[in-house]
Amino acid sequence: AQSVTQLDSQVPVFEEAPVELRCNYSSSVSVYLFWYVQYPNQGLQLLLKYLSGSTLVKGINGFEAEFNKSQTSFHLRKPSVHISDTAEYFCAVSTSGTYKYIFGTGTRLKVLA
Amino acid sequence: DTGVSQDPRHKITKRGQNVTFRCDPISEHNRLYWYRQTLGQGPEFLTYFQNEAQLEKSRLLSDRFSAERPKGSFSTLEIQRTEQGDSAMYLCASSLVSDIGTQYFGPGTRLLVL
Repeated sequence: AQSVTQLDSQVPVFEEAPVELRCNYSSSVSVYLFWYVQYPNQGLQLLLKYLSGSTLVKGINGFEAEFNKSQTSFHLRKPSVHISDTAEYFCAVSTSGTYKYIFGTGTRLKVLA
Repeated sequence: DTGVSQDPRHKITKRGQNVTFRCDPISEHNRLYWYRQTLGQGPEFLTYFQNEAQLEKSRLLSDRFSAERPKGSFSTLEIQRTEQGDSAMYLCASSLVSDIGTQYFGPGTRLLVL
């Protein structure tokens, strides 16, 4: 079985500062990894995904993430955040077959002026 | 491509009533997933379809829950005899098997059971 841990439930950061949102996963088989963003009362929007190949993945809105197999991590980063990045961020893992997602509990990013 | 749509967006019901939600996936997406998200938590998998076949159901999906995808296009999720614990956001997502499972989510249906 797979599991996902997002260690930080809330991350406050000042506008234009860098941010890292942490995600660790557990799995006995190869996984696919995803980051989604959720704005209030909305569904989830895909930010980026790791399927295979290069471990550094670039996504929308200036976000990137690095897959680290030895540390079973997939941390999300952005070098300079904007007020509009304030939202909930979810890390998810899936495996071949059903491809169903196992989500972490989410990290609430609050960007301060 | 209009994205995944869900109807209704909000539903308030009294305990014991039945409710039905609809999801329209992106056209030609052959997989359709249902998730439930409670306050402060990540979405939890409920069930999924490949075309019209329901291939997996979570243990979260009690006997009061039933889902269908009759023609392999839209899907419905019905909850019978609703309980207050059913209050949650119900999310639908669709994907193409060839897209290695990347899922596209609808806006969700928020259910409140009084």
